[in-house]
Amino acid sequence: NAGVTQTPKFQVLKTGQSMTLQCAQDMNHEYMSWYRQDPGMGLRLIHYSVGAGITDQGEVPNGYNVSRSTTEDFPLRLLSAAPSQTSVYFCAAVGGPYNEQFFGPGTRLTVL
Amino acid sequence: KQEVTQIPAALSVPEGENLVLNCSFTDSAIYNLQWFRQDPGKGLTSLLLIQSSQREQTSGRLNASLDKSSGRSTLYIAASQPGDSATYLCAVRNSGYALNFGKGTSLLVTP
Repeated sequence: NAGVTQTPKFQVLKTGQSMTLQCAQDMNHEYMSWYRQDPGMGLRLIHYSVGAGITDQGEVPNGYNVSRSTTEDFPLRLLSAAPSQTSVYFCAAVGGPYNEQFFGPGTRLTVL
Repeated sequence: KQEVTQIPAALSVPEGENLVLNCSFTDSAIYNLQWFRQDPGKGLTSLLLIQSSQREQTSGRLNASLDKSSGRSTLYIAASQPGDSATYLCAVRNSGYALNFGKGTSLLVTP
């Protein structure tokens, strides 16, 4: 039982490039979300999904796209990377008897 | 919008001390509150989750309390050890599933 996994662990992009951050969970939880963590800002919600085929925006959605075709996977797409998107990205899934949040190990992204 | 504040921002204590980390939130209509630990360059590890109807939760040397009416939670760490050095994050869930995070308390326990 791997919990929440994220790939890649590290990524360097040039401004304007696109990429997809992968997130997968094997806990069969319906709710998944993406956060970004920046120094001095705490974690902020980018997008979330309450189940396959259903996604919605969080606090800081601009520049990011998501889709949820299966319960297991919730990829985050950067359409045209900007230096302001340099951050650490965390994926989370919510579930269990107490609706606990489980986080992946994170992806460190640098945009030059 | 829910605002979550953690005090102090940083704390350094000698090994063996008992310590308290504080978390306050502005909207008391919460569903639950979760404390996380984050080691440098790592992800978030859930430590304790307190439902809105509960007053406290305990796990080993950790005890978290919740006073919903005053908008406060504390994380008590007994007999601190160097391995406890990390950043501790408080996160509050209101309606829905999104968490509102504090900025964390960076703890250093010196031998």
